[in-house]
Order: sequence, then C-alpha cells, then structure tokens
Amino acid sequence: DIQMTQSPASLSASLGETVTIECRASEDIYNGLAWYQQKPGKSPQLLIYNANSLHTGVPSRFSGSGSGTQYSLKINSLQSEDVASYFCQQYYNYPTFGGGTKLELK
Amino acid sequence: EVKLVESGGGLVQPGRSLKLSCAASGFSFNDYWMGWVRQAPGKGLEWIGEINQDSSTINYTPSLKDKFTISRDNAQNTLYLQMSKLGSEDTAIYYCARERVSFDYWGQGVMVTVSS
Repeated sequence: DIQMTQSPASLSASLGETVTIECRASEDIYNGLAWYQQKPGKSPQLLIYNANSLHTGVPSRFSGSGSGTQYSLKINSLQSEDVASYFCQQYYNYPTFGGGTKLELK
Repeated sequence: EVKLVESGGGLVQPGRSLKLSCAASGFSFNDYWMGWVRQAPGKGLEWIGEINQDSSTINYTPSLKDKFTISRDNAQNTLYLQMSKLGSEDTAIYYCARERVSFDYWGQGVMVTVSS
C-alpha cells in the first residue's frame, strides 16, 4: 500500500489568511492525488484532482500543487465556510487517504 | 444533479451480515466506476473497494477482501455492499462514491453500528 502522511493534523488560522496543508506519499504517485473537504456531519467533497485541477464549482481560492511524493493544498484568503477537515487521497495505486487536517478559525 | 443515497444501515450484532444499497440518479450510472469508503467515528477515511461499469473488475482493500462483496445492478442504478462476519471494528459511516479519476461525488453516508 502507498502510505499518505498529511500535515499538520490540526491548524488554526485567521480570516483572510493563507493556509497550506501538506501531503507526502511513500512513493511516487505521478500526480494521482486528490484533496477533499469534509464539514462536520457531512460527506467529503472533492476540491482538487490530478494534484492541481479544480473540481467544478470549487472557489478559486483553493489550489493544489506538487509532484512526485510531495503535494500541497493552499487556501488563499481564508473564509469562515472553509472551517472543515481536509483529506488528501492518492489513486495512483489502490486508493489510500491521508490522516486529515482539521482547520479551525483563530 | 448527481445524487447518491445510501440505505440499509443500522445496528447489527457481531458476527452477523448486512447489505447496504446506494441509489444513484442524475447521471448515466452504467458509464462509471463506483466505490465504497468508510469512516469510523472521529477517524479518517478508509477505501473499501470499487467496481467497474459492467462488474467485470472488482477491487478491494486487502484487509476486507474476504468479508465484503461489492456488486451493482445497472438496470436499477444501484450499487451494493454485502458485509459479513461483522465486528466492532466495522462500526462506521459508509459512503458510496462515483469514481471519475478520484471520487467526484459522494452520498450522504449511512451509519452501521456493530454491537451486541
């Protein structure tokens, strides 16, 4: 299995701030990476696929980057509705998820 | 509008079986791979498995391969997850999801609680 290590596990940021979440794969996943947002009591929602492609309807303040084993999700100008947990997932091989990052407002 | 609605969850005794359903609408169901993902209370996401359009290819996470069976009925636009030999470790919210490169649409989830 490809292991996905996500950091940080939790994050506190202020409105308007830029936030970055990292994900490291145990081997090269050739941009086969997605990011999801999950609000409390809700199902995950796709934000980014293929490491840097924005899913339909996702605000442009979300962006993804990276290659090889290192990937990141950036949220520009943090909004209150961005408070959620975020998960990375690789699909180069059988899908595996990162442990998640819980984002809160400072 | 893409819609996925899971059903069939609930309280089940250890060692028993349970079958979940996922009713799909708003898209051409038989054009897509479909998958199941679960989330134990307060925990992260775990991929269970996936099935291709004509059921000729079904993949499972190795640890669940002997307990869970994924199937689909394209005529009924429905995905299934048959779970057997359930244990407390299987207590989780179970999500079905459409696969298009990644999981692009998810159901609302259904809770399965394994307890005596």
